[in-house]
Amino acid sequence: QVQLVQSGAEVKKTGASVKVSCEASGYTFSNNEIYWMRQAPGQGLEWMGWISPGNGDTKYSQKFQGRVSLTRDISASTAFMELSSLIFEDTAVYYCARNGGGLGVWGQGTTVTVSS
Amino acid sequence: QSALTQPASVSGSPGQSITISCAGTSSDVGAYNYVSWYQQLPGKAPKVMVYDVSARPSGVSNRFSGSKSGNTASLTISGLQAEDEADYYCCSYTRSRTVVFGTGTRVTVL
Repeated sequence: QVQLVQSGAEVKKTGASVKVSCEASGYTFSNNEIYWMRQAPGQGLEWMGWISPGNGDTKYSQKFQGRVSLTRDISASTAFMELSSLIFEDTAVYYCARNGGGLGVWGQGTTVTVSS
Repeated sequence: QSALTQPASVSGSPGQSITISCAGTSSDVGAYNYVSWYQQLPGKAPKVMVYDVSARPSGVSNRFSGSKSGNTASLTISGLQAEDEADYYCCSYTRSRTVVFGTGTRVTVL
């Protein structure tokens, strides 16, 4: 079945970077964009950007422009989200999702905690 | 890009129908028929309930229906059940090739 599996929880210091992976299975990875969202504790969903695995095309939310980088490894059917210059407010659950029938398949989420 | 506007909470009794609104602009909701709705249970990843304004994924109950008029989209849940108690988010593609989510609505079954 179609599945997205994300990497495990991370604890980072302010100013550091974090890289979250999202491994796809059960379909042809190149065929569907991967979207990235986050959800701070008790808050709503926030879109960060998307990547088209087939050609590497990306689009970022203006809020994260310059601080987020979306990449992919087609041979490993894996997408990556790297967020730099972390601040306390980046503490959140980060999700990847496959575009197709809306965001039809989601990863399980990766908790990123930023502390001093 | 500002978040789409949803009511903070909506409630109803079992068996009733409720409607959640999602107000946007001509640059997002009003621009394309790419509005989707997500249900999120506590501690879980969101689940798509409606996409492309009114399409329903296989496995989603036909009690969930979507519509759009101008710059406002709506999700209606008919025959409300206890299991429908959750947070709901709308989402729209925009003219800038970005995506914007709604502010979220907590649905309570009385």
